[in-house]
Amino acid sequence: ETGVTQTPRHLVMGMTNKKSLKCEQHLGHNAMYWYKQSAKKPLELMFVYSLEERVENNSVPSRFSPECPNSSHLFLHLHTLQPEDSALYLCASSQLASGTGAETQYFGPGTRLLVL
Amino acid sequence: GQNIDQPTEMTATEGAIVQINCTYQTSGFNGLFWYQQHAGEAPTFLSYNVLDGLEEKGRFSSFLSRSKGYSYLLLKELQMKDSASYLCAVRDSNYQLIWGAGTKLIIKP
Repeated sequence: ETGVTQTPRHLVMGMTNKKSLKCEQHLGHNAMYWYKQSAKKPLELMFVYSLEERVENNSVPSRFSPECPNSSHLFLHLHTLQPEDSALYLCASSQLASGTGAETQYFGPGTRLLVL
Repeated sequence: GQNIDQPTEMTATEGAIVQINCTYQTSGFNGLFWYQQHAGEAPTFLSYNVLDGLEEKGRFSSFLSRSKGYSYLLLKELQMKDSASYLCAVRDSNYQLIWGAGTKLIIKP
């Protein structure tokens, strides 16, 4: 049973729609992440929040807008997406220690997004 | 640039042993992770190596050679449920995870 949940699991939207993806972690972690996973490609890090502050953007298009209201919740707001944005969007969390490098990321099941 | 290479797909037989290789070129090294991902599911943590050598955990073992920029994941006594993608990831000098594209492992009876 994963400690990271994501809703919805599947989403179909038109290019003019606005939708939001939700992630919740029940592990008491202090960092949360959004990743994009496309077929046969490496995971692409989109956003990182540490202690509820965004620390990484990775040049993601502005049509993706993250929100982290507290350490347990993370949202990804979507608007005017393109068909090439269709992918699996994964949320992860971890407990950042003092530079040990051993922090393990725990993933949610993902939201399968299809943009028509 | 930073790069993680692993085979795209491998096939093995139930009950056998398979070794999945991962080579990396990164700016610095702060550990290497292996994750398992079944189709449509979350990646789940398998192993972490930061020092050279072999780490054994049940049927799964992971090996690291930092001087060669090389790791492998060894799966013994393969079971049908081991059919999945296996992701290799390296944490670089900025503590950012660099991911490989994953190896899809197909187990045949």
